[in-house]
Amino acid sequence: AQSVTQLGSHVSVSEGALVLLRCNYSSSVPPYLFWYVQYPNQGLQLLLKYTSAATLVKGINGFEAEFKKSETSFHLTKPSAHMSDAAEYFCAVSATFSGGYNKLIFGAGTRLAVHP
Amino acid sequence: NAGVTQTPKFRVLKTGQSMTLLCAQDMNHEYMYWYRQDPGMGLRLIHYSVGEGTTAKGEVPDGYNVSRLKKQNFLLGLESAAPSQTSVYFCASSPEQGNNQPQHFGDGTRLSIL
Repeated sequence: AQSVTQLGSHVSVSEGALVLLRCNYSSSVPPYLFWYVQYPNQGLQLLLKYTSAATLVKGINGFEAEFKKSETSFHLTKPSAHMSDAAEYFCAVSATFSGGYNKLIFGAGTRLAVHP
Repeated sequence: NAGVTQTPKFRVLKTGQSMTLLCAQDMNHEYMYWYRQDPGMGLRLIHYSVGEGTTAKGEVPDGYNVSRLKKQNFLLGLESAAPSQTSVYFCASSPEQGNNQPQHFGDGTRLSIL
């Protein structure tokens, strides 16, 4: 069965510093992985997705993630944090229902704080 | 571009009351989902639909019912609300089957049960 673990429920960085949000997955089949961002009082927006085409995936707002099969990881990074990056970030893996339909399994989320 | 629209945005109910949350999408997506979001637990799937007239149970379906009479709408019902159903509810949709398909989310409904 597929699952996702996000290490660190809260991460705090200074503006301009590197952002690293950790995600490890468990999957018995080649996974499809996603990062979503949730700003206060809003829904989830897709940041990027991994679908096996390339191990380094670039997303919106300067974020990127690297798929490492040997480490079962899909960590999200951004070289220089901006105040507007403060939000909650969710890693998700796609799984298949009985019946063949896909669903997303989410991690518990990591809240990113950016301070001046 | 409206995308996925949820109504209402906020609601307070008393224990035992009933209500319906409405989700509408204008992207002609086949698949629709209802999730609940609770602190420290991420999003958990309540029910989903793979097309007009179809519904199925997700991970946490107890206490909820759904209907998909029209392709663009997916309704979530609480027949007898309980305090444990206090949560933020999100609707999502996706265009077609496939594990590489992202889901598009609404802005959520914040529901408090007193």
